[in-house]
Parts: sequence; C-alpha cells; structure tokens
Amino acid sequence: EPEVTQTPSHQVTQMGQEVILRCVPISNHLYFYWYRQILGQKVEFLVSFYNNEISEKSEIFDDQFSVERPDGSNFTLKIRSTKLEDSAMYFCASARANTGELFFGEGSRLTVL
Amino acid sequence: SQQGEEDPQALSIQEGENATMNCSYKTSINNLQWYRQNSGRGLVHLILIRSNEREKHSGRLRVTLDTSKKSSSLLITASRAADTASYFCATTNTGNQFYFGTGTSLTVIP
Repeated sequence: EPEVTQTPSHQVTQMGQEVILRCVPISNHLYFYWYRQILGQKVEFLVSFYNNEISEKSEIFDDQFSVERPDGSNFTLKIRSTKLEDSAMYFCASARANTGELFFGEGSRLTVL
Repeated sequence: SQQGEEDPQALSIQEGENATMNCSYKTSINNLQWYRQNSGRGLVHLILIRSNEREKHSGRLRVTLDTSKKSSSLLITASRAADTASYFCATTNTGNQFYFGTGTSLTVIP
C-alpha cells in the first residue's frame, strides 16, 4: 500500500542551525501539507502546497520556514535558524483531492538544544 | 479559528464497552474527518463525513454530524485493547487547511 515516508525519523540540532526535513508523498497525490505536534499537544497546521506553490500558511510558518518540491517527488520543510520552541514532531501529509483524506507520514522528531 | 475541540480529553473503558467521543467546531465546513494516532506515530484516517451527511458507518465506527450545532461524535462499538490511542477530529472548508482538535485519549482496559 502506498505510504508517505519521512526522513529523518529523529534529528537533534543546536539552536540557530538550519534543518531540512524531507517527505516523499504518495506518487499520485497533488496536495501536500506540513503539520507539527509539540509533545502531548494538538496537531498544528503549518503550510499547504499545491501546484508548486503555497496555498495557505499559518502564523507559525514565519520567515524562518520554507517549503520546496525540488524534483517532483520530494517535499521538504526547511527551518533556517532553529529555536528551542521548534522542538516538536513534524508530520508531512498528502492528499489526492483538496478536501479528501490526508495520508500522514510517521513524522520527524526534531529536538533543538 | 475553525479548530475543533474534542471531549472528553481522556476516556478509560473496559474492553467490550462502547466509546463515544465528541468534537465541536466553529465555522462552516466541507467535511469533517476523524483520525487516530498511536503514541509517537503518525495519524491514520478513520472516516470522513461530508457536511450534507448526518451519519456514517465503517465497521465498528459510527460517526454523526450535526451542522446546526457544529458538532460531531465518534462511536467505537465493542472496543478492544488495540483501540487504545488518541482520536482527533479535523475539519476543512476549502481543503487548503485542515483544522485538528485537541484530541481524546482513549484507554481500553483488557
């Protein structure tokens, strides 16, 4: 069964460093999303992406964040200069239709020291 | 904000009992979806109910939607220990953003 894959599963970084989280969405999906979940808290929307551009972004998704779909298969989230409060689980999701079922990856746990 | 709120925040039941979780949201929606999350794992889609539907079934799951009250409920019948997880509702209007609730943590005691 097709699935969304995310790498790395866990990354530890120093505050101020750049981090790139990678996602491979399901191949025939057109809509892509990044969410984050701070430990024990709710799932927060970061950004949605369609047709090679951002559809919508939340207040969390400030200038430190960027997304890219560099090669038609990968979908990356970059955090330019990490802060302690960026420590969270980051989930990538994709969907075939824009109001349809979301398929989530297993997440990338980011720890900022 | 369109974000949903689930209640209860935590629910503990015996295996075989039914579990009911509720979700409330704030604005108009295209559909409402329920997801399950095992600890430390990704979210898994359970069921989608459109704004013009009132009830939907899938196996042991029953979802209702009351758009006049902006609320939904998820019923899991004949619960099993393997149903232990967190359950989230998610709403969307345009599909550009799905709003997730705060989740209900369900524990099914064998």
